[in-house]
Amino acid sequence: NAGVTQTPKFQVLKTGQSMTLQCAQDMNHEYMSWYRQDPGMGLRLIHYSVGAGITDQGEVPNGYNVSRSTTEDFPLRLLSAAPSQTSVYFCASRRTSRGTDSPLHFGNGTRLTVT
Amino acid sequence: SQQGEEDPQALSIQEGENATMNCSYKTSINNLQWYRQNSGRGLVHLILIRSNEREKHSGRLRVTLDTSKKSSSLLITASRAADTASYFCATENYGGATNKLIFGTGTLLAVQP
Repeated sequence: NAGVTQTPKFQVLKTGQSMTLQCAQDMNHEYMSWYRQDPGMGLRLIHYSVGAGITDQGEVPNGYNVSRSTTEDFPLRLLSAAPSQTSVYFCASRRTSRGTDSPLHFGNGTRLTVT
Repeated sequence: SQQGEEDPQALSIQEGENATMNCSYKTSINNLQWYRQNSGRGLVHLILIRSNEREKHSGRLRVTLDTSKKSSSLLITASRAADTASYFCATENYGGATNKLIFGTGTLLAVQP
């Protein structure tokens, strides 16, 4: 059971480039989300999805797009990378979206540097 | 909008000692969760305490919750070098259409062998 798989592990982009961070889970989880982690800021929610075809914004959605065409996959797209998007990105999933106290399962992160 | 604030930001202890970390939050919650993050890795869920619970145990972990003070503490007893990691609290409120877990800024624990 692989859990939550993120690719790539590391990425360097130039300002203005676009890219997609991949996330896949094999636990048939309903809920998937993306967080970014910056020093001293903890984890901040970017976007989340409560099921295939349904996405919504978190705390810091600007500059990012998501889609959820299947239960398993939840890619995060950077449309035009900026140095402020230099961060570590985590994908996380949970069994259901509300009311059941289910914990989040995290991937191992993608370390992104934008120069 | 950061919900949780951990205290202290960093903690260094000797192996065998107990480690206590605190989390304060701002709004009402339905549950509070603690996660652990080893360097360079994703977060791992440790323990969940519901708003109607005051204390919970799991192995060497003890979590307390005081909803009147909007605070929680995580106690790790008889710490080991392998407990060295960052620890985060996260709060959840069922009030919206979808529950979101909001994380604090974390406590960095170093256990010296």
